[in-house]
Amino acid sequence: QKEVEQNSGPLSVPEGAIASLNCTYSDRGSQSFFWYRQYSGKSPELIMFIYSNGDKEDGRFTAQLNKASQYVSLLIRDSQPSDSATYLCAEGTGGGNKLTFGTGTQLKVEL
Amino acid sequence: AAGVIQSPRHLIKEKRETATLKCYPIPRHDTVYWYQQGPGQDPQFLISFYEKMQSDKGSIPDRFSAQQFSDYHSELNMSSLELGDSALYFCASRGPGTPTSRQYFGPGTRLTVT
Repeated sequence: QKEVEQNSGPLSVPEGAIASLNCTYSDRGSQSFFWYRQYSGKSPELIMFIYSNGDKEDGRFTAQLNKASQYVSLLIRDSQPSDSATYLCAEGTGGGNKLTFGTGTQLKVEL
Repeated sequence: AAGVIQSPRHLIKEKRETATLKCYPIPRHDTVYWYQQGPGQDPQFLISFYEKMQSDKGSIPDRFSAQQFSDYHSELNMSSLELGDSALYFCASRGPGTPTSRQYFGPGTRLTVT
């Protein structure tokens, strides 16, 4: 079992809709969580990070963390075609805070 | 703003050859991470360095070695290359601060082993 699990998708949403991406993790001791966006052949780009239970909002993005359920989610409001990409959930672990990634969810925003 | 620089961007090698990938972190960043991303896979952590010392080690083959130099740039040395080493290799850097501060990824080096 992977330490970080995501549904690989693809997840298709119409333009302007809310996209909901989900992630579960197995290490109850994990403290930091990240959402990265990756376009094909490009490097991961950090879009949200969250450390505390609850919601964190930044523009059209909201990250949600529930440590009791070991669950992290990302909501993208008013989805745009440019949001079409693979979204990687990651946890920071170890003394050096290396990232352990999930397999990623492919999001397609359709016109 | 300055970003992480990786060189070369593309590299083609034959089996059993060696390769050296270079990473130049953002100025004043003291931690460097190396990740390997195979086709259709998520990035896998290889190794990291903090203040020129190895800080963590992941699924890095014994054929690979890495180091961080006095100017904080890092090199990943890969020997006896195998077809399965074909992948995107990302370097990320992190500045001083809390352990949970963000990592900035470079554009990657695409290694193709034939």
